[in-house]
Amino acid sequence: ETGVTQTPRHLVMGMTNKKSLKCEQHLGHNAMYWYKQSAKKPLELMFVYSLEERVENNSVPSRFSPECPNSSHLFLHLHTLQPEDSALYLCASSQESGGTYEQYFGPGTRLTVT
Amino acid sequence: GENVEQHPSTLSVQEGDSAVIKCTYSDSASNYFPWYKQELGKRPQLIIDIRSNVGEKKDQRIAVTLNKTAKHFSLHITETQPEDSAVYFCAAVEYGNKLVFGAGTILRVKS
Repeated sequence: ETGVTQTPRHLVMGMTNKKSLKCEQHLGHNAMYWYKQSAKKPLELMFVYSLEERVENNSVPSRFSPECPNSSHLFLHLHTLQPEDSALYLCASSQESGGTYEQYFGPGTRLTVT
Repeated sequence: GENVEQHPSTLSVQEGDSAVIKCTYSDSASNYFPWYKQELGKRPQLIIDIRSNVGEKKDQRIAVTLNKTAKHFSLHITETQPEDSAVYFCAAVEYGNKLVFGAGTILRVKS
């Protein structure tokens, strides 16, 4: 185990549903990330939180809403998604200090929007 | 911003042969270049990385080379084995901890 967990592992939701993805890291890191992985764009950065503040939002549609209540937890709130949002959503964490950049990934949530 | 291109998109080699994957980057300020391996159905994991003050780094059967002048870096896997079959991603750090990933290379090792 890399110390980054994600729940649920699989999620099927309709376009009118609201759901949340959860990520938890047990590594003492201070930065967390959401990535979208699909056949079209293999590893696409969505959000970055550093010291619990959002520092990056790569023009992600507002139907995706991140939340980082503390350095160990990261959520991705989903509402009124589209079928093209079906993908694997990966969470990662890293420690911002001393030029260390290694990111540790969670197992991902496989999301299917029907 | 940083842009990373990765080639080839798929690579098939015979077991025991070598495999080479190449990446180019655009931002000359980038100073850290990791390689991640993602096996089918699993999470990406770091396998090797290199910093801009080093030209080559080896770890058993894998090595990475960096040419700062040309802004490209490569992953070399020698004596490939079936368990090396996976998707490999290169990346470059843009700023802070932000990694920009290449599009990935599917490596198939045929036994």
